[in-house]
Amino acid sequence: EAGVAQSPRYKIIEKRQSVAFWCNPISGHATLYWYQQILGQGPKLLIQFQNNGVVDDSQLPKDRFSAERLKGVDSTLKIQPAKLEDSAVYLCASRLAGQETQYFGPGTRLLVL
Amino acid sequence: KQEVTQIPAALSVPEGENLVLNCSFTDSAIYNLQWFRQDPGKGLTSLLLIQSSQREQTSGRLNASLDKSSGRSTLYIAASQPGDSATYLCAVYGQNFVFGPGTRLSVLP
Repeated sequence: EAGVAQSPRYKIIEKRQSVAFWCNPISGHATLYWYQQILGQGPKLLIQFQNNGVVDDSQLPKDRFSAERLKGVDSTLKIQPAKLEDSAVYLCASRLAGQETQYFGPGTRLLVL
Repeated sequence: KQEVTQIPAALSVPEGENLVLNCSFTDSAIYNLQWFRQDPGKGLTSLLLIQSSQREQTSGRLNASLDKSSGRSTLYIAASQPGDSATYLCAVYGQNFVFGPGTRLSVLP
């Protein structure tokens, strides 16, 4: 089966600009996660969706970050405006209902100058 | 707030050695613990998942143990190979998923 797809793979922007990331989970996976992984650290959960509803967004910096999953399939994560400390890899993962294993995409590497 | 630490941060061993990676967590109220592998420029791959009621899980040359009461898990890799070189992360699932910072493993041929 096809894995989790993410685009773009790399993005370089200047601070205060906006950026958006896209994720297409594995077909049939109702649960979708966005993680932020800063260099040298483990991934930090930003937001979790169940179908098109938000389950957990407690660690999402809502003043600048937003995410949506309108039709319960694809998801986008947006940063507006970006700060230098947002430089990181943004990982998307999905999970099938009733199972506990998460499947990760390759990530989007963001550099904010 | 759950905190996850991993020791050592980096490890370099010659091929063929058996090795142990350690993971510690502060809150024992977890549903499960998972070990992941991350290769440079790639996402994470799940290696083993241990339910909170289990003591260990095995897959091939990998064995993971869980001592929930002491907040510890170990990942044992037998007969290491250069292809095992990667970063290994543990993650605990309680109120939410919390990852450790990882152990960067290099297996030298």
